Amino acid sequence: EAGVTQSPTHLIKTRGQQATLRCSPISGHTSVYWYQQALGLGLQFLLWYDEGEERNRGNFPPRFSGRQFPNYSSELNVNALELEDSALYLCASSLSGALTGELFFGEGSRLTVL
Amino acid sequence: AQKVTQAQTEISVVEKEDVTLDCVYETRDTTYYLFWYKQPPSGELVFLIRRNSFDEQNEISGRYSWNFQKSTSSFNFTITASQVVDSAVYFCALSVPPFSGGYNKLIFGAGTRLAVHP
Repeated sequence: EAGVTQSPTHLIKTRGQQATLRCSPISGHTSVYWYQQALGLGLQFLLWYDEGEERNRGNFPPRFSGRQFPNYSSELNVNALELEDSALYLCASSLSGALTGELFFGEGSRLTVL
Repeated sequence: AQKVTQAQTEISVVEKEDVTLDCVYETRDTTYYLFWYKQPPSGELVFLIRRNSFDEQNEISGRYSWNFQKSTSSFNFTITASQVVDSAVYFCALSVPPFSGGYNKLIFGAGTRLAVHP
């Protein structure tokens, strides 16, 4: 069974540009989570999607947005990129959004903003 | 507010040594879940264990063991007879389920980088 897949693996952008990151959850999982792992800041919760709806978001500005498609895959968009957006963006999926079960993480997309 | 503290930034041991990774959490909720994840160099986080707040039994899985103590708000992780393959960053995390009024997200500690040398 395929795990959580993310693309692209690496992405290089310049300040002010937009970045789009993609995530495919494990088959059967309806919840998708996005986390940012920036150097020195640890893992920060970004967004949670379940059944196509945004259920919760972390303390990030509105230029971080995303969506979940009918097939439960998800996209994270970061507009007006800033240097501090450089980070590893991790996507995770789970069977339900209740977090009684574990999250399954992908290998991440490393975004570098120059 | 919820918070997870992993005071050890980096730990270096020699193979076969035992090592304990500390985790202290803060929450006012009576119902919560605690997790440990391992992040090898490949980047993906690998789930190791989940413990709910009503289950204080310690758990052992092979060389791994976990000590959950509500009295000290700690959920420590011990690797016995460490191996080079254990080298990774280990994260402790806390979740407060939505039914207790919290947000449905994992709150991670800063992580502890474990280096096991041959």
